[in-house]
Amino acid sequence: DVEMVESGGGLVKRGGSLRLSCAASGFTFSNYMMIWVRQAPGKGLEWVSSISSSNNYIYYADSVKGRFTVSRDNRKKSLYLQMNSLRAEDSAVYYCVRQGRGYDEPADYWGQGTLVTVSS
Amino acid sequence: SYVLTQPPSVSVAPGQPATITCGGDDIGSKSVHWYQQKPGQAPVLVVSDESDRPSGIPDRFSGSKSGNTATLTISRVEAGDEADYYCQVWHSGSDHVVFGGGTKVTVL
Repeated sequence: DVEMVESGGGLVKRGGSLRLSCAASGFTFSNYMMIWVRQAPGKGLEWVSSISSSNNYIYYADSVKGRFTVSRDNRKKSLYLQMNSLRAEDSAVYYCVRQGRGYDEPADYWGQGTLVTVSS
Repeated sequence: SYVLTQPPSVSVAPGQPATITCGGDDIGSKSVHWYQQKPGQAPVLVVSDESDRPSGIPDRFSGSKSGNTATLTISRVEAGDEADYYCQVWHSGSDHVVFGGGTKVTVL
């Protein structure tokens, strides 16, 4: 079965850093785009970043550009999100999500998420 | 930036249809996907590319597009359909994934 398991969330002070990891299984990880989506408490879904299957193309939401860095290791079937200069508004559940092989394909499998809380 | 507009809430009686709209410029040229999220759970894809359903999703869920609006229809709503629903597209102009603000469906 397809599964993504996120880890690395927690409580961090404003201005601090955190690295999220996502371990994928049950599919050929290197064939798929992967994205990070976050959801602040009581709010809607917000796309954070996308990374193409072979690391060639990387995109960020304007709200995190310059502070967050997405990466992947296809040999380890893992996705990462390095988050620096964290702000209170970055507090959210962060989901690791499999997208299809194209940019306009659906996000068909979601992890259960990891909670990031930035204290002010 | 590209914006998808959804109504904040929809209320519907059991057995009746629910329609959730998603408006956006030139949405007719984009693939629109719909997700269901129940409290405390991760979102689940219910309709992709306007009208395709992943395996396990009941045929009561269907999608359509007309003009600048995409629509998710739940025919014969059940209590278990109570959830937040989000539309999503890929905006090639900005290379961004875009989600609508979400619609809370309440079953009366």
